[in-house]
Amino acid sequence: GEDVEQSLFLSVREGDSSVINCTYTDSSSTYLYWYKQEPGAGLQLLTYIFSNMDMKQDQRLTVLLNKKDKHLSLRIADTQTGDSAIYFCAETINTGKLIFGQGTTLQVKP
Amino acid sequence: DTGVSQNPRHKITKRGQNVTFRCDPISEHNRLYWYRQTLGQGPEFLTYFQNEAQLEKSRLLSDRFSAERPKGSFSTLEIQRTEQGDSAMYLCVGEIAGGSYEQYFGPGTRLTVT
Repeated sequence: GEDVEQSLFLSVREGDSSVINCTYTDSSSTYLYWYKQEPGAGLQLLTYIFSNMDMKQDQRLTVLLNKKDKHLSLRIADTQTGDSAIYFCAETINTGKLIFGQGTTLQVKP
Repeated sequence: DTGVSQNPRHKITKRGQNVTFRCDPISEHNRLYWYRQTLGQGPEFLTYFQNEAQLEKSRLLSDRFSAERPKGSFSTLEIQRTEQGDSAMYLCVGEIAGGSYEQYFGPGTRLTVT
C-alpha cells in the first residue's frame, strides 16, 4: 500500500542546518516532493526529485533519496526564522496523484 | 502566486445544506486535482481531471460529493447534505501534464459545517 511517514516536530537554532526526514512504502514511486506550508497559507512546492536520482541541490535546499531504504530527506542550510513552517513530503506513482505525509513542523529559534 | 484561484475562501454552513466550491486554474493546467486537508494532516487526494474527463475518484469521495470540469477549464466541487465531518480545507491543484507532475496548489476553501 501507499504510506508516507514523517516525524512531527523539529526545532533548530537560526543559522544551523535542519534535516527533515520522510519514509515511504511504495517502491514504484516515480517522483518525490517537498512542500512548505506557512500558517494560514497554501502549500508551496519547494523542490522535487525523480526516483532515479539520489541527490538534488537547489540553493539552501538539498534533497537526498535512498531508494533502497525508501528514505527521503530535506536539508535546509543556514536555517532562518522565515523557514518556520510545516514541511510535507509527498510521493507520486505515475498518475500525478500525490500521497502526503502528515507534515513536520519546523520551529526556528532566534 | 501559483495562478490557481479558489472561491469562496471560507464557507460556513449548517449541517444538511449543500455547498459548491469553484476552482480556476491557469489555461495551461490541463490536469486539475481536488484534495482535502484536515487539521494536523497532510492533504488527501479526492479526484482529478485530465481536461474535462474525470479520471480517478478516491474512496473518500462519497456519493454526496460530485466534481465537474465542464470545459476543461474551471472546476466545481459540490457537497450535498453536508455533515460535520466534511469540515476541512478543500484544495484545488493545477498541473501541466506530461512533465514532472509539478503541482501548484490554490489557497483553498475552508469549509465549516455547524
